[in-house]
Amino acid sequence: GAVVSQHPSWVICKSGTSVKIECRSLDFQATTMFWYRQFPKQSLMLMATSNEGSKATYEQGVEKDKFLINHASLTLSTLTVTSAHPEDSSFYICSARNSGTRNQPQHFGDGTRLSIL
Amino acid sequence: GQQLNQSPQSMFIQEGEDVSMNCTSSSIFNTWLWYKQDPGEGPVLLIALYKAGELTSNGRLTAQFGITRKDSFLNISASIPSDVGIYFCAGQGRGANSKLTFGKGITLSVRP
Repeated sequence: GAVVSQHPSWVICKSGTSVKIECRSLDFQATTMFWYRQFPKQSLMLMATSNEGSKATYEQGVEKDKFLINHASLTLSTLTVTSAHPEDSSFYICSARNSGTRNQPQHFGDGTRLSIL
Repeated sequence: GQQLNQSPQSMFIQEGEDVSMNCTSSSIFNTWLWYKQDPGEGPVLLIALYKAGELTSNGRLTAQFGITRKDSFLNISASIPSDVGIYFCAGQGRGANSKLTFGKGITLSVRP
């Protein structure tokens, strides 16, 4: 079945560090992937839509220079949190769907827990 | 942004009981999805619905795409302890790559 892999699963780093999170579709190609942020006891909040070979589309209020997205291949999207600060600490989750087949749902990665000290 | 209506926020049931969760929207969706999330993990797809009126089962789970395309329900029969988790509904508009709109989620607790 469709598998989305996210790496790393947990990151702890100092304030000011840039952190890159990878999202891979393991057994399908995805022209579009999505990046979410989730705070404790809340629902998923869409940050941006990652488009293969073109610029990402950011949701209102999400700083594109803060959260850099690159979708260079049909199986990989990366989210880089630049100059991370404690307020960026959160659970980041990506999703992808098989773009080669009709009626394919989005599948999610296991998430990345980011803690900025 | 828009959010789907899921309530109550928490549900407590006895092992072996059936439970039903509803999700409503003020807007029409072309696809309805139900996900379950365990602590510290990403959501896992339970059921995807693509046609108004569609009724789909996955083991002890049954979900329906409302005929008005503004609601969906999920039933869990004969609950077991591993059913504990947060259940999210999500709607998707026209377009295979259109974004999902989520409900706030329902936290299900199952008493042994």
